[in-house]
Amino acid sequence: GQQVMQIPQYQHVQEGEDFTTYCNSSTTLSNIQWYKQRPGGHPVFLIQLVKSGEVKKQKRLTFQFGEAKKNSSLHITATQTTDVGTYFCAGPGNTPLVFGKGTRLSVIA
Amino acid sequence: NAGVTQTPKFQVLKTGQSMTLQCAQDMNHEYMSWYRQDPGMGLRLIHYSVGAGITDQGEVPNGYNVSRSTTEDFPLRLLSAAPSQTSVYFCASSYTPPGLAGTYEQYFGPGTRLTVT
Repeated sequence: GQQVMQIPQYQHVQEGEDFTTYCNSSTTLSNIQWYKQRPGGHPVFLIQLVKSGEVKKQKRLTFQFGEAKKNSSLHITATQTTDVGTYFCAGPGNTPLVFGKGTRLSVIA
Repeated sequence: NAGVTQTPKFQVLKTGQSMTLQCAQDMNHEYMSWYRQDPGMGLRLIHYSVGAGITDQGEVPNGYNVSRSTTEDFPLRLLSAAPSQTSVYFCASSYTPPGLAGTYEQYFGPGTRLTVT
């Protein structure tokens, strides 16, 4: 079945360093979503990408959808302690929405 | 708007007991779903509903039942709890089902932490 894989599983960075998480699908996606979950919290929607090669920015966060629409990335510039959490990608698949296992980001002040 | 609400926040069950996790939304969303989250496993879809009276199975439906008698409510029933069902359960809703045109961001409830001993 359709799988959504994310790497890395964990990332520890010093505050101020950049961070990138990657999402890869075994099949072409019509769109992809990104969510953030703070420790002890629930997932919160960040963004949806639809077009091949699309790039969207939200302040220090840059989201990209691959040309083949099978991969996506989230890049955070100059991480802050408020960026701590787990970042998930999700896309339509065998079930209405398939989530990757997430990348847990910790930021060392 | 209260958004998506879930009760209870915490629950401890003994093996074999049954219970219902409640989920309600006040945003008039057609699509509702239940996920379980286990360490290192991400979010796995249990059941979902595209509207009142319509439900379908997700990735891990065994041991769970759902019904959708109203647009607002989507309870999840554990028929006979097992230790493997120890998890955090999230209910989510969106205006339209994923796969349709438009943005269908999922609004998640705060979760129910369930322990089965």
